Amino acid sequence: DTEVTQTPKHLVMGMTNKKSLKCEQHMGHRAMYWYKQKAKKPPELMFVYSYEKLSINESVPSRFSPECPNSSLLNLHLHALQPEDSALYLCASSQEGGRDRETQYFGPGTRLLVL
Amino acid sequence: AQSVTQLDSHVSVSEGTPVLLRCNYSSSYSPSLFWYVQHPNKGLQLLLKYTSAATLVKGINGFEAEFKKSETSFHLTKPSAHMSDAAEYFCVVRPYGGNNRKLIWGLGTSLAVNP
Repeated sequence: DTEVTQTPKHLVMGMTNKKSLKCEQHMGHRAMYWYKQKAKKPPELMFVYSYEKLSINESVPSRFSPECPNSSLLNLHLHALQPEDSALYLCASSQEGGRDRETQYFGPGTRLLVL
Repeated sequence: AQSVTQLDSHVSVSEGTPVLLRCNYSSSYSPSLFWYVQHPNKGLQLLLKYTSAATLVKGINGFEAEFKKSETSFHLTKPSAHMSDAAEYFCVVRPYGGNNRKLIWGLGTSLAVNP
């Protein structure tokens, strides 16, 4: 089973709203990732958590705040977003340790529209 | 520097004919290579991966790819296209060493399958 789930599927928010995206996996993976994908482009890495600790922040604006409450869950808290933040937000997970184990598996994404 | 080039931004084939999506990479070391597929308004699905074993890799849905070190290529093929293969395909390199969590993505190839 290589399933990563994400909720909600769609989200519309105003620039003053606060919302959260959720991601869950039950594959025992210890690395989890957030990506942002604009239309017709490859995904861009935002954050990486390894063993529930933030290991990579790709200089993402502070209006995006990740959280990893446990090894199965990953949240992305959104506040005061801009219209240009509208995109597909993808979560991924992978095992840790070794070339053959670190394949990333992606969820279906949350399509975010900021008005 | 490591990089990925997908040689065609768009490929159009007729149903039942072969598919060839071309990918070249640049890496000082033997990288891990992946092909992901993204159907419209969906997340990314792993088609296949090369890590260090057999150079001919078989994936899901009848796709396969061959790692050719001498040509620095990892082309994706399928003997007979199906309508359901219409999607965006990404060739991806995971760098060796350093920040190998940050995947290097090609710009994508959009595959159209005509009846």
